[in-house]
Amino acid sequence: GAGVSQSPRYKVAKRGQDVALRCDPISGHVSLFWYQQALGQGPEFLTYFQNEAQLDKSGLPSDRFFAERPEGSVSTLKIQRTQQEDSAVYLCASSLQAGGYNEQFFGPGTRLTVL
Amino acid sequence: AQSVTQLGSHVSVSEGALVLLRCNYSSSVPPYLFWYVQYPNQGLQLLLKYTSAATLVKGINDFEAEFKKSETSFHLTKPSAHMSDAAEYFCAVSGVNAGNMLTFGGGTRLMVKP
Repeated sequence: GAGVSQSPRYKVAKRGQDVALRCDPISGHVSLFWYQQALGQGPEFLTYFQNEAQLDKSGLPSDRFFAERPEGSVSTLKIQRTQQEDSAVYLCASSLQAGGYNEQFFGPGTRLTVL
Repeated sequence: AQSVTQLGSHVSVSEGALVLLRCNYSSSVPPYLFWYVQYPNQGLQLLLKYTSAATLVKGINDFEAEFKKSETSFHLTKPSAHMSDAAEYFCAVSGVNAGNMLTFGGGTRLMVKP
């Protein structure tokens, strides 16, 4: 079956531009996570959705970052007024159920480069 | 708060040799522990996970890991390395509650020499 997909795979933005990153989770998966992976580092948590509810956004680095999942399936991560430090790979993951023991299935990521 | 430390950002082994990738964690509650592998330009793929059942966990591609509570460790091993094992490996910890995110270590890049 289809896994988690993300688009675009690569995005180049000029500093100050707004960007929108899309995540299509596995159908029927309740939980959806966004992570940020800087070059040479492990992924770091950004935000978590259970269905359409954003239950944890403690990892979002600033108020320029905004995420939504309005119908409990597709999610969009939006970054306003991009800065060079936003350059990273943004990973989306979904899991069938809530609960930390559940496997998270990851998409291929969107590599964002801010010039 | 949870954290994960992976000793050795780069590990090099010869093809056919034992693979040992180290992971130590800290957690205020009994953790769930995971090993993921990441190939270039791909997402993370689960190798194995520990969820408080058997302490020796077997995963895909002959990888296994042993949970040692007294040492707060969850090291990953494979008896014989293949060239195709060359990749980045991440150890991660999660709590028990709904929405518990994964906290990752910094990763270990495994290189396999012919």
